[in-house]
Order: sequence, then structure tokens, then C-alpha cells
Amino acid sequence: DVKVTQSSRYLVKRTGEKVFLECVQDMDHENMFWYRQDPGLGLRLIYFSYDVKMKEKGDIPEGYSVSREKKERFSLILESASTNQTSMYLCASSFQLAGLSKRTYEQYFGPGTRLTVT
Amino acid sequence: AQSVTQLDSQVPVFEEAPVELRCNYSSSVSVYLFWYVQYPNQGLQLLLKYLSGSTLVESINGFEAEFNKSQTSFHLRKPSVHISDTAEYFCAVSDIINSGGSNYKLTFGKGTLLTVNP
Repeated sequence: DVKVTQSSRYLVKRTGEKVFLECVQDMDHENMFWYRQDPGLGLRLIYFSYDVKMKEKGDIPEGYSVSREKKERFSLILESASTNQTSMYLCASSFQLAGLSKRTYEQYFGPGTRLTVT
Repeated sequence: AQSVTQLDSQVPVFEEAPVELRCNYSSSVSVYLFWYVQYPNQGLQLLLKYLSGSTLVESINGFEAEFNKSQTSFHLRKPSVHISDTAEYFCAVSDIINSGGSNYKLTFGKGTLLTVNP
């Protein structure tokens, strides 16, 4: 079974703190993604990475940064947490396409981290 | 970039009734399509996917979805729902992220909350 784990299920931080959310996958996936999920807004992509040390901005990167030093680990960083970053954060991973490969292309999700910033 | 519209934010039904959750996407170019399910306080799980071939795809728990290229739709159906199907359902479409077409991300709809009542 593919396993995507996130470092915390629940996290409470104060405004202005630096926050690290960690994600680890065990399936040798090239791609990793960070989303935030808010009621009525669905999943919005913050950042993604398709290789070690590579990163691309998603739809809402402002206020966030990421780090991918190892293939299996993708970290989301809130440099200075604000109350509008209170949300559910979901990490996901996937293979890249490979022509006629029988790899599966779907994303596998972690259980999520519910972050509250007070 | 792709966009995904889930036409109903909430769908209440009675147990054993049929249900259809609607999903439309924006582009008619080759796409991969997915339905994910999220049970309370959990991450997203893949329910079913369309990659190619037969336009009707099925899941192991009785859901099915039909890919309709001309209408750019991928509606999810189940002929008889159970209380345990109560969850939020997300439709997603692949979105190529490099010019070679070998890598992609997913664009998600805003979700449909299915509530099955006794």
C-alpha cells in the first residue's frame, strides 16, 4: 500500500510563528504536492515539486515556501503564520507519466494536518 | 488551465435511493479524470479513474462514472446508496504542466457533500 504520512494531524500556532509541515511518501514518487482545503473552496494547490530540489508555484503560493531535499520528503513552510492560514493542509504524491508504462497516475493523499493560527 | 465544476455543493438523499453527482470540466483535449472521496477527518481516497478505453468506469463499492467527451462531463452515479456513503466527493481533471506532456497536476472541483439519511 502506498503510504503518505504527515507529521501532525492537529497543530495550533501563534500569529507570526514559523511553521513547518512535513510530508513523507514511501512509493518512490517523483511528484509531490501541497494543497489547502477550505469549506466551499475545495482543494487549492499551493506548491508542487517534480524532482528533488525542484519546486513550482501552484495557484496560491503567497505566504508559503517549500523544501524538497530528498525524494521522499516535501516540507511546507509558513514563514510568518497568519490567521488566514488557518486551514486543512493536504499532501499528495504521484508518479510522472511514462508513455505506455503501466504506472498509475493518480495522486495519493496523506491524512491532512489541521492547522489553527491564533 | 483546466477548470472543474461540480454543480451541486450538497446532495441529500435517502438510503437505497439512486444518486448522481455531476462534474463538468473545461477542456476537450485529452484528459485523465478522477473521483476522490473524503470521509470525515480523513484525507482523500481515490474512488475511480478514467485514463483511456471504456468510457464507463466502476469502483469496487458500486459507484460508476461515465466519461462523455462531447459534453466534457464525468458524472458519478450509484443506483442504491448506503449510510456509509456519506462523505464529500471531489472530481478532478489532469492538467499538463510541461510542454512535453509527460507531467501533470490535478485540478479539483469544489466538492459535493453527499448526505445519506435513513
